[in-house]
Amino acid sequence: DAMVIQNPRYQVTQFGKPVTLSCSQTLNHNVMYWYQQKSSQAPKLLFHYYDKDFNNEADTPDNFQSRRPNTSFCFLDIRSPGLGDAAMYLCATSTGRGGWVPDTQYFGPGTRLTVL
Amino acid sequence: EDQVTQSPEALRLQEGESSSLNCSYTVSGLRGLFWYRQDPGKGPEFLFTLYSAGEEKEKERLKATLTKKESFLHITAPKPEDSATYLCAVQASGGSNYKLTFGKGTLLTVNP
Repeated sequence: DAMVIQNPRYQVTQFGKPVTLSCSQTLNHNVMYWYQQKSSQAPKLLFHYYDKDFNNEADTPDNFQSRRPNTSFCFLDIRSPGLGDAAMYLCATSTGRGGWVPDTQYFGPGTRLTVL
Repeated sequence: EDQVTQSPEALRLQEGESSSLNCSYTVSGLRGLFWYRQDPGKGPEFLFTLYSAGEEKEKERLKATLTKKESFLHITAPKPEDSATYLCAVQASGGSNYKLTFGKGTLLTVNP
């Protein structure tokens, strides 16, 4: 089945120690997204890639970076994790159709990040 | 600014007790409204896309409807396995605008 895969499912890091989260997709979608979701809150978009074009949300901290080396993979790098960065990180993909047609996003299972 | 408000925040039902969840939205131009189901510790699972007022979609015990200001997710004769958080999100119209604005969700608990 076509899907969005995230690794690892659980990640523990130390305060200030860089960490990288991985996302891959077999849907061949043009757009890949990274969201942060804290407990009992709505998912918050950090950034997205349309193909290789990177789009950062205005309020995404500089501590968060992303790479998309090819269509299938996208990485989230947290350069110096703080306690406030502990959250579920969700990767999503969509076809990237423009105009008036709804562009449905499909989510991966998420990576739960703990910062000690 | 696009806004999505979901109510109630939490809903507890007995198995078989039908009810509805509400999603009110304001958006400059609606490209699509999406319903997702999210189980604890997992990513949102896509349920429905709606984009035209009057549209309805069904899947098993769930039916989603859309008006110009709100959407309802009707749950008919729910079972305990329907327990989850249900998220509503809107996507505004216009070119390459892919951003979803989410509500905070409704936590549904169905007791046997």
